[in-house]
Amino acid sequence: DAGVIQSPRHEVTEMGQEVTLRCKPISGHDYLFWYRQTMMRGLELLIYFNNNVPIDDSGMPEDRFSAKMPNASFSTLKIQPSEPRDSAVYFCASSLAGPDGSGVVIQYFGAGTRLSVL
Amino acid sequence: AQTVTQSQPEMSVQEAETVTLSCTYDTSENNYYLFWYKQPPSRQMILVIRQEAYKQQNATENRFSVNFQKAAKSFSLKISDSQLGDTAMYFCAFMKHVSNFGNEKLTFGTGTRLTIIP
Repeated sequence: DAGVIQSPRHEVTEMGQEVTLRCKPISGHDYLFWYRQTMMRGLELLIYFNNNVPIDDSGMPEDRFSAKMPNASFSTLKIQPSEPRDSAVYFCASSLAGPDGSGVVIQYFGAGTRLSVL
Repeated sequence: AQTVTQSQPEMSVQEAETVTLSCTYDTSENNYYLFWYKQPPSRQMILVIRQEAYKQQNATENRFSVNFQKAAKSFSLKISDSQLGDTAMYFCAFMKHVSNFGNEKLTFGTGTRLTIIP
């Protein structure tokens, strides 16, 4: 399996522009998570889905952020309009529903998208 | 809410030596999972080792082992025979127990930047 795939790897945009980050989870995984990493706040959950349905979006900072999962193999995180404080690395992770064969729940991460808003 | 504390922002050690990274956490949960993730300069989040709270035996993965002290809420990572490729940020993470068909978010510490010196 290719693992969790995120695109683009890097994104540079200007303040006010719309930004869309994309994620393809590992095939067969039921859960998809979006995390954000910043120097100030570290790694924090934004939202997660189970079977394409949003379960917890309490980490989404404000209405400018939205996430969708139209099918089991694709999710987007959109920021509209973008602001300089949105600059961060955005990670997508996917996981099976419940523990794996070893008895532990594991989340597998993509390589992240580094977003710079100028 | 759960919190994870990593009190060592940076550490360095000579190649081939042993190093221990500290992690403490706070939770009212009795059953949970603990993880150490590695983030090299490539930015990829890589799972190093995991531990189930109800298992008293400390997890080991080759040169990596943990010292899990449930009563003290401590979960330290020991890296033996350190190698240059171990240079990375290391994050301790907590996850509440999940049912057979559930999942939960990861709560991360702030990380420890480890440098292996040739």
